[in-house]
Amino acid sequence: DVKVTQSSRYLVKRTGEKVFLECVQDMDHENMFWYRQDPGLGLRLIYFSYDVKMKEKGDIPEGYSVSREKKERFSLILESASTNQTSMYLCASSLFLGRFGDEQYFGPGTRLTVT
Amino acid sequence: AQSVAQPEDQVNVAEGNPLTVKCTYSVSGNPYLFWYVQYPNRGLQFLLKYITGDNLVKGSYGFEAEFNKSQTSFHLKKPSALVSDSALYFCAVRDMRHSGGYQKVTFGTGTKLQVIP
Repeated sequence: DVKVTQSSRYLVKRTGEKVFLECVQDMDHENMFWYRQDPGLGLRLIYFSYDVKMKEKGDIPEGYSVSREKKERFSLILESASTNQTSMYLCASSLFLGRFGDEQYFGPGTRLTVT
Repeated sequence: AQSVAQPEDQVNVAEGNPLTVKCTYSVSGNPYLFWYVQYPNRGLQFLLKYITGDNLVKGSYGFEAEFNKSQTSFHLKKPSALVSDSALYFCAVRDMRHSGGYQKVTFGTGTKLQVIP
């Protein structure tokens, strides 16, 4: 089974802090994604990566950056956390870009609270 | 632009009764369609997908979904609901027409299924 792990289940940070969310997948997937999940809004794509050191903006990249130095690891960075970034953050992975019918595999999520 | 609509925020069904969670979509080309489930305090899990072929797709945990092109729908169904099916369900779509670059998946806003004992 594909396993996607996220470094923290719950995180509380102060406004202005730099926040790192880590995600690791163990199935050699090319694609990795970061979403945020908010009630009534569903999942919104923040960034995705289709290869090491490659990244593309999603629908809501403002205030976020990402890093993919190794194939299995995809990090989401909040440069200066703000209260409107309080949310559930979900990491996902999938096989490779050309296979558009492939499902995504999700981690358990990190619930981030910014105070 | 592609979109997904899940018209019901919550669906309540008695245990043992059939359940339906509705989903309609809009894409320019033909769709890839997915259903995911999120149990409390857990990430999303893939349930089933429609790519092409038979309009009735079977998935995990006894769920199935029917693709209806004329109604642009992909409703999730199960003949007999279990209390353990209570969860948040997400429909998702991707346009099969590839115009170059990454064709992202669009998720619906989710439907909370409550199965009553």
